[in-house]
Amino acid sequence: GENVEQHPSTLSVQEGDSAVIKCTYSDSASNYFPWYKQELGKGPQLIIDIRSNVGEKKDQRIAVTLNKTAKHFSLHITETQPEDSAVYFCAARGTGRRALTFGSGTRLQVQP
Amino acid sequence: NAGVTQTPKFRVLKTGQSMTLLCAQDMNHEYMYWYRQDPGMGLRLIHYSVGEGTTAKGEVPDGYNVSRLKKQNFLLGLESAAPSQTSVYFCASSYESASTDTQYFGPGTRLTVL
Repeated sequence: GENVEQHPSTLSVQEGDSAVIKCTYSDSASNYFPWYKQELGKGPQLIIDIRSNVGEKKDQRIAVTLNKTAKHFSLHITETQPEDSAVYFCAARGTGRRALTFGSGTRLQVQP
Repeated sequence: NAGVTQTPKFRVLKTGQSMTLLCAQDMNHEYMYWYRQDPGMGLRLIHYSVGEGTTAKGEVPDGYNVSRLKKQNFLLGLESAAPSQTSVYFCASSYESASTDTQYFGPGTRLTVL
């Protein structure tokens, strides 16, 4: 089955700096890669996603890049703000499957 | 819209006790999922359902049963709770659509098994 590895497990940045979180996946048939943000005491919430026919997608301060050859994808947050502090999860899903396989999460702390 | 709701929010069980977690969604979603979240392990899929009356096993199904008698509800049961089932449980739901794959999560149930 699919295996998703996520790095780093914790990340601390200064407000205004950029943050990058990286994930690798094992199943070359995977075609959908979402990123979820989980705030303390809440359920995860989708913040951005990308499909395998696209190399990059951007939504205001967040962007996701996908390298299918290397089987890795990354989340980029620019101009970080304290409200970006949360746990971020990457996930992958293969063709014909409904279930997502999640990475182990990255705790991002933005220092004011 | 309430979205995805879960009851209860917290529960403490003794080893061997049984309980049922209820998930309800008001978005008319076809697909529903149960995940467990443990420190350093992300979210792992327990069971899921692609429609009323159907269920399927996920990554970690042992010790759990599920039922989807109504489209809007997805129940997760623990017949004989074990300490290894101490976790935070999340329910999610999604549309069956080629254009959107967003899973909407509930707020979670924190379960402790003593």
